[in-house]
Amino acid sequence: GDSVTQMEGPVTLSEEAFLTINCTYTATGYPSLFWYVQYPGEGLQLLLKATKADDKGSNKGFEATYRKETTSFHLEKGSVQVSDSAVYFCALIYLTGGGNKLTFGTGTQLKVEL
Amino acid sequence: DAGVIQSPRHEVTEMGQEVTLRCKPISGHNSLFWYRQTMMRGLELLIYFNNNVPIDDSGMPEDRFSAKMPNASFSTLKIQPSEPRDSAVYFCASSLRGRTEAFFGQGTRLTVV
Repeated sequence: GDSVTQMEGPVTLSEEAFLTINCTYTATGYPSLFWYVQYPGEGLQLLLKATKADDKGSNKGFEATYRKETTSFHLEKGSVQVSDSAVYFCALIYLTGGGNKLTFGTGTQLKVEL
Repeated sequence: DAGVIQSPRHEVTEMGQEVTLRCKPISGHNSLFWYRQTMMRGLELLIYFNNNVPIDDSGMPEDRFSAKMPNASFSTLKIQPSEPRDSAVYFCASSLRGRTEAFFGQGTRLTVV
C-alpha cells in the first residue's frame, strides 16, 4: 500500500540555518504531495503542495519539489526562524476507486534556537 | 467558509463513560477523515469516508470505537466505554474528491480519567 517516510526528529537548528527535512513515499499511480505544519497546541495547516512530477510547491520561504524518479518530496528553507519551530508532516493523497485516501508520515519536530 | 468545525474542543470524562466527538466538514467536501494524535503513536488515521460511505476503518483500534456519517455535513466518532488509554487529540479533516489537500479542524482534546 501507499506510505510516507520522514526523517526522525527532533531537528534542532540555530536561527538562520538551512533546513532540510527528508520525505520519501511509495504509492501506486500518481499521488499529490503535501507538507503540513502543526504549531504547538494547534491543528494541522497546509504549508505547501505539488500535484505532479517536477512541480515545486512554495510558501513562507519553504520549498519542496516533487521528484518522481526518487519518489521524494524534501522540505527546504534557506534561513529558519524561531517562529518556524513546529512539527512538519509530509503527506500524500492518492485516488482510489472509492475516492481520496490521505496518508501522513510520522512527523518531524523542528526546534529553532537563537 | 468557517472551515472544519469540531466539538467539543476539550472533553474530560471518567473511565467507562460514553464519549461522542463531532465534526462538521467544509461544505461541498465529500471526503472526511478521523485521526488520533498521541505522543507515543503520532498521527493515526482511524477511518475515512467518501460520499458518506466508510471506505477504510482498519485504523479503528477496537470495537469500542465507532464512526458514522449520516449526511454530508456531519460525522461522529463514538467511544463506548472509554478508557484512559483513549486520551489523545482527535482531529477531523475534509477534502474534495480529487488530488486536493485536506483541511483540518482544531481537534478535540480528550482526557479519560
